[in-house]
Order: sequence, then C-alpha cells, then structure tokens
Amino acid sequence: DTGVSQNPRHKITKRGQNVTFRCDPISEHNRLYWYRQTLGQGPEFLTYFQNEAQLEKSRLLSDRFSAERPKGSFSTLEIQRTEQGDSAMYLCASTPWRQGFTGTQYFGPGTRLTVL
Amino acid sequence: GESVGLHLPTLSVQEGDNSIINCAYSNSASDYFIWYKQEPGKGPQFIIDIRSNMDKRQGQRVTVLLNKTVKHLSLQIAATQPGDSAVYFCAELREEGAQKLVFGQGTRLTINP
Repeated sequence: DTGVSQNPRHKITKRGQNVTFRCDPISEHNRLYWYRQTLGQGPEFLTYFQNEAQLEKSRLLSDRFSAERPKGSFSTLEIQRTEQGDSAMYLCASTPWRQGFTGTQYFGPGTRLTVL
Repeated sequence: GESVGLHLPTLSVQEGDNSIINCAYSNSASDYFIWYKQEPGKGPQFIIDIRSNMDKRQGQRVTVLLNKTVKHLSLQIAATQPGDSAVYFCAELREEGAQKLVFGQGTRLTINP
C-alpha cells in the first residue's frame, strides 16, 4: 500500500493525558499537512511541513499541540493535557510540492481521538 | 469572511439516477477546486479537480462544472451506484503560502435501491 498511513486509527484517552499520533506520507511527498475534522464538519487546517520545516500553524493549534517531522518523512502530532474539546478525527495529507505546482493533497485514513 | 460552502446538507437519489451536488465559494481569486468523497471512518478521497481557467472537467462517471461568474461549482455523478453513498466535500486550494485546503461542510449522498 503506497498511500498515506496513520497510526493509531483510534485512540481513547482520559482528560489530561498526553497522546501522540503518527503519519507516514506517500513516499517522496515533500509537503505534509495536518487537519482536524469534527463531526458533521469539513476538515480544518492545523499545520504543514515542507520537508522537515514546519512553515505555518493555524490559530486552532493551541500551545498544547506540537507537531514534528524530524527527517522530512513521517510526522507526529502530540496533544498534551487533552481536553474533551480535542475529540475529533485528525487527518494527515501529503503532496509532492514544487515551485509553481498546484495539486491535490492525498489523505490518510485519520486517527479518531475520543477524550473522556 | 471568505468561505466555501454547500447548498444542501443531504441528497437522496435512486440507484441509477444522476446526482448533482452543488458548492458555492466567495473568494473570486480562488484558483483551484477539488471534490473529495468521504466514507464513514475513512479519510477524504480525491475524486476530481478543476482549475479556474476551465469550465468543465470529466472523469469516470463524474463531471465537475465551474461557473466563475456566480462563483459556483457542481459535481455530477452519472448512474449512481450504492458505493457512491458518502459525504462529498468541495475544497478550495488557496495558493498563497501553505496552499492549505479550505473545505465546506459537506453533502451526504444517499442512494436508494
């Protein structure tokens, strides 16, 4: 399978705990995006990486959230001191960006987070 | 503010009929639009895209129409099948900076046997 993969697929945690999600993009895709999707809504942009550099963060990304892409391949999204409002589907997408290129983003299956 | 939105939250059609899902956008500078299909428990799946220099684009059983005058696009699905049941999102790719996708709320398409 050469698509975007995400782990775990589901995570249930108690309020106040830390959680970490992983995304493996399509090989050689240099841009990686994180989105959050709540029930009945479309995905909302959180942050993105070009190679290992995190270039933009949404205002949705509070200081409890941190994302990394240390080697420019896989990425992790960590949420510290989870709150019930963090319950959502966290989606990862990747694209092979180059200057002057505009193309679609390919999504992974998502990680469904439930905070009790 | 600028947004991408959908006209109807739900659409129900008979199997074999054609479906039309509509989407309105407000940013006249929008350059690129994508339709995604999302099934329960899955991530959005790319269906078809269109750039602002085009009015129409066709794929396999799907057609996207873009009307820049009224800032409207639509997704037409021909001869709908049970497997077409899903939520459909239009998304606008804003080219500045991050090229982040801006999604509408989605339309749930139900295919009746």
